Amino acid sequence: AQSVAQPEDQVNVAEGNPLTVKCTYSVSGNPYLFWYVQYPNRGLQFLLKYITGDNLVKGSYGFEAEFNKSQTSFHLKKPSALVSDSALYFCAVRDGSAGNKLTFGGGTRVLVKP
Amino acid sequence: KAGVTQTPRYLIKTRGQQVTLSCSPISGHRSVSWYQQTPGQGLQFLFEYFSETQRNKGNFPGRFSGRQFSNSRSEMNVSTLELGDSALYLCASSLTHRTISPYEQYFGPGTRLTVT
Repeated sequence: AQSVAQPEDQVNVAEGNPLTVKCTYSVSGNPYLFWYVQYPNRGLQFLLKYITGDNLVKGSYGFEAEFNKSQTSFHLKKPSALVSDSALYFCAVRDGSAGNKLTFGGGTRVLVKP
Repeated sequence: KAGVTQTPRYLIKTRGQQVTLSCSPISGHRSVSWYQQTPGQGLQFLFEYFSETQRNKGNFPGRFSGRQFSNSRSEMNVSTLELGDSALYLCASSLTHRTISPYEQYFGPGTRLTVT
């Protein structure tokens, strides 16, 4: 069975500093990995995905993620955080046999302080 | 292009009742998935529909059901509501159902269901 772990419930960072949100995964086949962000009272917004190819994936709003197969990780990063990046972030995995079924991590709340 | 729309946005029901939630996917998207989000269990997959057929199902009791229409709109139904069914129900649409090189899913704003 596939699973995703987000080890930090909350990440605090000062505006302008680098932001990293950690994610590790477990799947039986090729991993398809996704990051989503959720703002209060809103649905999830797609940030980026890793399917194959380059290990560094660039996404929306200046976010990027690094796929590391040996460490089974897919950490989300942003070089310079903004106060508006404060939200709930979810990592998700889909294995090759599960259609569009996504398995989500528990989420990491990001708080960017001015 | 309009996003995924879900109706109603908020709903209050009492235990034992049933409820139907509706989802209209992005134009041209043919796959619709449903998820339940709760503080305790997080985001959990309910089911996926493509071409009016259920393609995948999560670990939920039979009280949870869904369907998809020929225009790709989808509904989910919960019968005999329990207090634990209180949650945010999210619908997500994707271009198609594909096992390799999947397309991303786009989520609607959700329907907040409260069961009293």
